[in-house]
Amino acid sequence: DAGVTQSPTHLIKTRGQHVTLRCSPISGHKSVSWYQQVLGQGPQFIFQYYEKEERGRGNFPDRFSARQFPNYSSELNVNALLLGDSALYLCASRPREGDQPQHFGDGTRLSIL
Amino acid sequence: AQSVTQLGSHVSVSEGALVLLRCNYSSSVPPYLFWYVQYPNQGLQLLLKYTTGATLVKGINGFEAEFKKSETSFHLTKPSAHMSDAAEYFCAVNRAGGTSYGKLTFGQGTILTVHP
Repeated sequence: DAGVTQSPTHLIKTRGQHVTLRCSPISGHKSVSWYQQVLGQGPQFIFQYYEKEERGRGNFPDRFSARQFPNYSSELNVNALLLGDSALYLCASRPREGDQPQHFGDGTRLSIL
Repeated sequence: AQSVTQLGSHVSVSEGALVLLRCNYSSSVPPYLFWYVQYPNQGLQLLLKYTTGATLVKGINGFEAEFKKSETSFHLTKPSAHMSDAAEYFCAVNRAGGTSYGKLTFGQGTILTVHP
């Protein structure tokens, strides 16, 4: 069975641009979470979606937004990119809220020039 | 609020030696605890988890961890290190029960180096 898949794997943008990152959860998983991992640090929670509804938000500015589609895939959008947004963005899925553990994809490496 | 502290950003051991990676957590509610491993340019792979029940949990690749509530610790061990264990390890906490909204709180990570 396919795991969590994320696209693209790498992305280079310049300051001020916007970016869309995509995530396909494991088949049958309805909950998707997004994390930001800055180099040398642990992942930081950004959002969680379940059944297309936002169920949790971390301490990130409004430039960050996300949505979940009827097929449970998800997009993370970041506007007005800053140098500090350079990071590995990880998506994780699980079957339902409350289920453990979360299963992670390999991430999208975003570099801001 | 929850937090995780991993003691030691770098740990170095010889092949065949004991691996001990330390994790202490803070949580106002009963926690779920996890150890993940991350290899270069990859995502996170679950090693083991504690939710309820037995406090000594066994995971993949010979790793195990013990939940000690009195010490608020969840240290990761492996009796004999292998070269393939070299990676970065993350301890994480989530609140237990109900419709937890899935926020994993991670520690800063510990890079494990294994010498021949």
